Amino acid sequence: QVHLVQSGAEVKEPGSSVKVSCKVFGSTFRGYGFSWVRQAPGRGLEWVGAIIPTSPAPKYIQKFQGRVTFYTDESATTAYMEVRGLRSDDTAVYYCGRKAGFCSGPDCYSLDYWGQGTPVTVSS
Amino acid sequence: QSALTQPASVSGSPGQSLTISCTGTSSDIGTYKFVSWYRQHPGNAPELLIYEVTHRPSGISNRFSGSKSGSTASLTISGLQAEDEADYYCTSYTGSSNVFGTGTRVTVL
Repeated sequence: QVHLVQSGAEVKEPGSSVKVSCKVFGSTFRGYGFSWVRQAPGRGLEWVGAIIPTSPAPKYIQKFQGRVTFYTDESATTAYMEVRGLRSDDTAVYYCGRKAGFCSGPDCYSLDYWGQGTPVTVSS
Repeated sequence: QSALTQPASVSGSPGQSLTISCTGTSSDIGTYKFVSWYRQHPGNAPELLIYEVTHRPSGISNRFSGSKSGSTASLTISGLQAEDEADYYCTSYTGSSNVFGTGTRVTVL
């Protein structure tokens, strides 16, 4: 049984950075893509981006370019997302997700497994 | 990239069928087969119901089915059950990234 377990809630000041982790249990790590999705309070889902095994560079939507970094640590079976220059409108629950099987492109973006979510609050 | 357009809410009685639409453009749904649907209960992570327009993941009930015509994708729930009361989101590949729909609240009367 595959489980994705995310790090705990964070409270950050505007302008600071946050790093969210997503540890994989019950599965090998190499060959899988990881997507990140966020949900502001009372709002819908928003795709942040993804790191996929066959792409030389992570994929982000334009509004996050330059502010978000994804990386993985295979030895720790953990994926990470770092968001810099936090603003109040970055307040949201951040989810990691992964496809059940190996993937190589946009097929990576259908997410069978999800973490429990990490609430990030940006407030002074 | 603008969000895909979904109706804000739909409702139905137990046992009935209902369909949720998801309207995009020729730059996303109209071109790519990578359309997925998710169900999200309050306070929980989303659950994948449909991927690549029509495919159900293992363990998902055949009460859920997906289709696409032009730039509009649809999710049909047949035999509506109380547990289907939730928020539903479509998503599509855009050629460079991914975009979610605005979300639909399903109410079981």
